[in-house]
Parts: sequence; structure tokens; C-alpha cells
Amino acid sequence: EAGVTQSPTHLIKTRGQQATLRCSPISGHTSVYWYQQALGLGLQFLLWYDEGEERNRGNFPPRFSGRQFPNYSSELNVNALELEDSALYLCASSSRDRGAFFGQGTRLTVV
Amino acid sequence: DAKTTQPTSMDCAEGRAANLPCNHSTISGNEYVYWYRQIHSQGPQYIIHGLKNNETNEMASLIITEDRKSSTLILPHATLRDTAVYYCIVRGSNYKLTFGKGTLLTVNP
Repeated sequence: EAGVTQSPTHLIKTRGQQATLRCSPISGHTSVYWYQQALGLGLQFLLWYDEGEERNRGNFPPRFSGRQFPNYSSELNVNALELEDSALYLCASSSRDRGAFFGQGTRLTVV
Repeated sequence: DAKTTQPTSMDCAEGRAANLPCNHSTISGNEYVYWYRQIHSQGPQYIIHGLKNNETNEMASLIITEDRKSSTLILPHATLRDTAVYYCIVRGSNYKLTFGKGTLLTVNP
């Protein structure tokens, strides 16, 4: 069974640009979570999608947004990139009664 | 979500059992205890979870006290590859996982 897959693995953007990160959940999972992990810091919760709807949002500005598609895959969009947005972005998926399983992340570097 | 308290770091000798404690004194009746670990720059790996009964799988055992205010993750025979940051998380009804700072477990040869 395939795990959570994220693309791209690495992404380099210039300050002010937009970044789009993608996540494919484990088959059968309807929930997708996004986390940000800046270098040397802990995992900060960004967004939770379930059944196509945004269910919860962390303490991040509106330029962090996303969506979940009918096949439960998800996109995270970061607009007007700032240097501080450089981080590992992790996606996790789960079904309601089980733990969340994480992908290997997208390393975003803003220069 | 209930908060958790874990030691910042622990050491363990290779081949010995590693016992990682976690306090979650404000846990409520329908909240589960989850354990994850993260090896440097990789995505967190799910280890085990439980509600009130002790649980065991191929990776570890989870012992939850009867009052559910604390738990212990046990790695029965630690190896060097078990060196990682271990997170104890209480998962509430909103299904969100809130990560704290975790415990850095260092397994020494």
C-alpha cells in the first residue's frame, strides 16, 4: 500500500513568488493535514481538510491557503513568499479512527 | 486538546529497553494518546496509540496508567536506529495532532 506522497521534494522560490505544494493521501483516507517545520523548530499545524472542507486552521496568515480535491488529494499554496517561509512542509493523512501518517515532506527554500 | 509534558532528552544503551514517559494530566475521556517519532529531517513516523488499555505492536508497547494521566512508551530492545525525537500527543475530537517539543532519545553503542 502506497504511503502519503508529496511533491515536489524540493522547491526553490524567490521572495514574493507563489509556491504550490501537493499531497496524495493514503488510499481510503479522507483527512489531510498540513504542517510547517522550520529549521530546528517543532511542527506547527497549518491546515486540516476533511471530505473536501477546511475543518481547522492554525495561526498562519491568509497567504497560506489550500484545498482538497474530490479524490482527497490536497494542495497547499503560499502566496507572496517571505524568507521566513523557508521550511519543511509536511502532509499527513488519516481516517477518522486511526492515526495520521506523514509523507516525507517538501523542502521549500525562499531566496 | 490536552497538553503533554515530556523530558527534553534521554539516553539508552543499545539492546536495552527504552522507557519514555509522558504526562497528560488534563486528558479527557474521549482523547487518545498517540506516539510519533521523527528522525532528522524526515516526516514523523506513527508508532502506536491507545485510549485506556495497554497496547503493543511490532514497534513498541504503550502503557497507560489507570487514571490516564500519564503513559510510557517502551521500545523493548533499542537500536542505534531508534535515535530520534519522540512525540507524545493527545488527540482530541477535532482529530488535530498538536506536536510539542518531544524527547530526544539517544541510543548509545
